[in-house]
Amino acid sequence: DIQMTQSPASLSASLGETVTIECLASEDIYDILAWYQQKPGKSPQLLIYDASSLHTGVPSRFSGSGSGTQYSLKINSLQPEDFASYYCQNGLSAPLTFGSGTKLEIK
Amino acid sequence: EVKLLESGGGLVQPGGSLRLSCAASGFTFTDFYMSWIRQPPGKAPEWLGVIRNKANGYTTEYNPSVKGRFTISRDNTQNILYLQMNTLRAKDTAIYYCARSKTTEGPGYFDYWGQGVMVTVSS
Repeated sequence: DIQMTQSPASLSASLGETVTIECLASEDIYDILAWYQQKPGKSPQLLIYDASSLHTGVPSRFSGSGSGTQYSLKINSLQPEDFASYYCQNGLSAPLTFGSGTKLEIK
Repeated sequence: EVKLLESGGGLVQPGGSLRLSCAASGFTFTDFYMSWIRQPPGKAPEWLGVIRNKANGYTTEYNPSVKGRFTISRDNTQNILYLQMNTLRAKDTAIYYCARSKTTEGPGYFDYWGQGVMVTVSS
């Protein structure tokens, strides 16, 4: 199985700040990686796919980058609705696997 | 509008069985791979398995963590996805989601998720 190691586990930031979340795959996943946002009591929502493609309707302050085994999600100019949990996901091969998550909190 | 609505969750004793359903609407159900994903409270999601689309013969693939205990099926006349869960254990306690794959070519990513249904395994 491809292991997805996500960091940090939690992150405290202020409105307007820029934050970056990292995801390390245990082997090359050839950019077949997604990022999801999850708010309390809600299902995860797709933000980014293919490492850097923005899903329909997702604000442009979200961006993804990386290649090989190392990927990142960047959120520019944090808005109140961005404080949530974020997960990366290997979409290359089964079993599809998720990172352990990053909880983004307001400072 | 794409909608996925799970049902069938609840409290079940260890060793028991449960069948979850996911009613799909707003898209051509047979065109898409469909997956079940679960999430224990406070933890990350775990992909359980996928049933492929019509073009790929509706074949299934499972996470080894549940293979042999869980079975995914679909009723393509009523647009319903199922998850049959047998020999349930306390560790199976989680919110269970059905999810649609973003493309028609593989499980890859999930662009629509249901609201989830809680399954609690306890005596």
